[in-house]
Amino acid sequence: KAGVTQTPRYLIKTRGQQVTLSCSPISGHRSVSWYQQTPGQGLQFLFEYFSETQRNKGNFPGRFSGRQFSNSRSEMNVSTLELGDSALYLCASSGGGANTGELFFGEGSRLTVL
Amino acid sequence: AQTVTQSQPEMSVQEAETVTLSCTYDTSESDYYLFWYKQPPSRQMILVIRQEAYKQQNATENRFSVNFQKAAKSFSLKISDSQLGDAAMYFCAYRSASGANSKLTFGKGITLSVRP
Repeated sequence: KAGVTQTPRYLIKTRGQQVTLSCSPISGHRSVSWYQQTPGQGLQFLFEYFSETQRNKGNFPGRFSGRQFSNSRSEMNVSTLELGDSALYLCASSGGGANTGELFFGEGSRLTVL
Repeated sequence: AQTVTQSQPEMSVQEAETVTLSCTYDTSESDYYLFWYKQPPSRQMILVIRQEAYKQQNATENRFSVNFQKAAKSFSLKISDSQLGDAAMYFCAYRSASGANSKLTFGKGITLSVRP
């Protein structure tokens, strides 16, 4: 069974640009959530999507947005990039058959904003 | 709001020895999950062990075991017979069992080094 796949793995942007990150969950998983990881703030929850609907949202500005498609794949978008947006963005999926509460993570997308 | 606290930023253990990583949490809920995740330098977060709050028995996965003290809101991880491959960042995490609030709340993490 393929794991959670995130693309791209690395990207460099400049301030003011926008970026779109993609996440393909494990087959059968309907929930996809996104986390931002930085050395200073640690792991922070961005949002969660379930069956194409945003179910939960963290405390991030409106520049951070996301969506989920009918095949459960998800994208997150960050507009008007700031230096502080440099981070590892992790996607996680859950659901499927037995609900163990566990989230399965992808390898992340490393965003550098110059 | 739930919080997870890992007060030790770094720990070191000799290969083949035992180490315990501490974690405390705060919640008003009665039904929840607790996890320890491992993040090696390659970055992918992988699950080490999971505990359901309604289960009194401490979870065990091979060399990894937890000491779950629900009343004290404590959830420590014991790694026995430490191996070089155990070197990584370890995160303690909380997740409500309520489907409406299913985010993971992480602690700051602890960097574990293993001395050969």
